[in-house]
Amino acid sequence: SQQGEEDPQALSIQEGENATMNCSYKTSINNLQWYRQNSGRGLVHLILIRSNEREKHSGRLRVTLDTSKKSSSLLITASRAADTASYFCATDSNYQLIWGAGTKLIIKP
Amino acid sequence: NAGVTQTPKFRVLKTGQSMTLLCAQDMNHEYMYWYRQDPGMGLRLIHYSVGEGTTAKGEVPDGYNVSRLKKQNFLLGLESAAPSQTSVYFCASSYSLADVVRGYTFGSGTRLTVV
Repeated sequence: SQQGEEDPQALSIQEGENATMNCSYKTSINNLQWYRQNSGRGLVHLILIRSNEREKHSGRLRVTLDTSKKSSSLLITASRAADTASYFCATDSNYQLIWGAGTKLIIKP
Repeated sequence: NAGVTQTPKFRVLKTGQSMTLLCAQDMNHEYMYWYRQDPGMGLRLIHYSVGEGTTAKGEVPDGYNVSRLKKQNFLLGLESAAPSQTSVYFCASSYSLADVVRGYTFGSGTRLTVV
């Protein structure tokens, strides 16, 4: 069963623009993580936000968490061609990760 | 380079054949996982291990078996492959089930086709 659901399923923007992806989940969580997957490769851990945190930054990444709405968003600022990838959220509930289906992000030059 | 290594990277099997996927990590992680990834779906956990000699079922364990005889290796076996097992398989490892600092480290995947 999928806990996290990303929205939108696909996003295409111009290089330099900001990209926002959303993740909704169903049950209470300990933390929420975001991962990136380049085509044909494994997933790479980007950032983790704990359930008692509301916002977190890492370089050009900004993650927010709203536990009352059971949702999170990932913002990538000043997008680059290298950001083209699929992005997945994963929620840590009962100490196992449950994954959403991902958002496919395409950055157009 | 430290990380998670999966072999093979690609494989085509005939229905009913068996095979073993190997995952090796050199980070001294206690926890290891096997996932499958299908188009339009997130990762689904097949089996996992919380330490050498231990294994547990995940969300979709049927048709698969695993073994963790050595801490650094986690093997995924298909005894009698079926077309429904056509997928991309990922191995991952972590220091703990809830590694709140480092997250999971993934291998590059094995693309399996069962015909």
